[in-house]
Amino acid sequence: NAGVTQTPKFQVLKTGQSMTLQCAQDMNHNSMYWYRQDPGMGLRLIYYSASEGTTDKGEVPNGYNVSRLNKREFSLRLESAAPSQTSVYFCASTRTSGTYEQYFGPGTRLTVT
Amino acid sequence: AQSVTQLDSHVSVSEGTPVLLRCNYSSSYSPSLFWYVQHPNKGLQLLLKYTSAATLVKGINGFEAEFKKSETSFHLTKPSAHMSDAAEYFCVVSDLSSNTGKLIFGQGTTLQVKP
Repeated sequence: NAGVTQTPKFQVLKTGQSMTLQCAQDMNHNSMYWYRQDPGMGLRLIYYSASEGTTDKGEVPNGYNVSRLNKREFSLRLESAAPSQTSVYFCASTRTSGTYEQYFGPGTRLTVT
Repeated sequence: AQSVTQLDSHVSVSEGTPVLLRCNYSSSYSPSLFWYVQHPNKGLQLLLKYTSAATLVKGINGFEAEFKKSETSFHLTKPSAHMSDAAEYFCVVSDLSSNTGKLIFGQGTTLQVKP
């Protein structure tokens, strides 16, 4: 039982390049989330998927797209990376929307030059 | 609207002394509250959660938190700090205004433990 896994762990992009961050969970959770973490700003929600087949914008969605590929997988795509997207990205999942705790992946450290 | 405020951005204690990390929340609903810990270059790990059962919640590694509705607080405590407790701690409230399971994070408190 690996929990929440993310790939890659590290990535360096040039401005304008694109990439997809992958996330998978093996806990049969319905809801999945993408956050970014910047110094002094806590975690901010980018996009979420309350259930398979649905996605919604969070607090900071601009410059990102997501795909809920199936119940296990939720990917985050940067179409044209910008230096402002330099951050640590975390994927999380929870059993279902409501009062349940979220489980986090180990993060992807992205640098855009 | 729901929000959470961590009152200290940085707390420094000596090993073996008590830890107190302060958190106030605002919620129109009966809140679900969490404390997460993040060690350097790691993901977030759940320490404990409050979901309207007992007001004193015990978590992992000797941490506990008390929900005080009258003070809208959910402070995290530990009787005796360990060097391994040095980390970033986040107080979190569940966004119950929408049925999406979204979490609202505090800004974080960095705990330094001195030998």
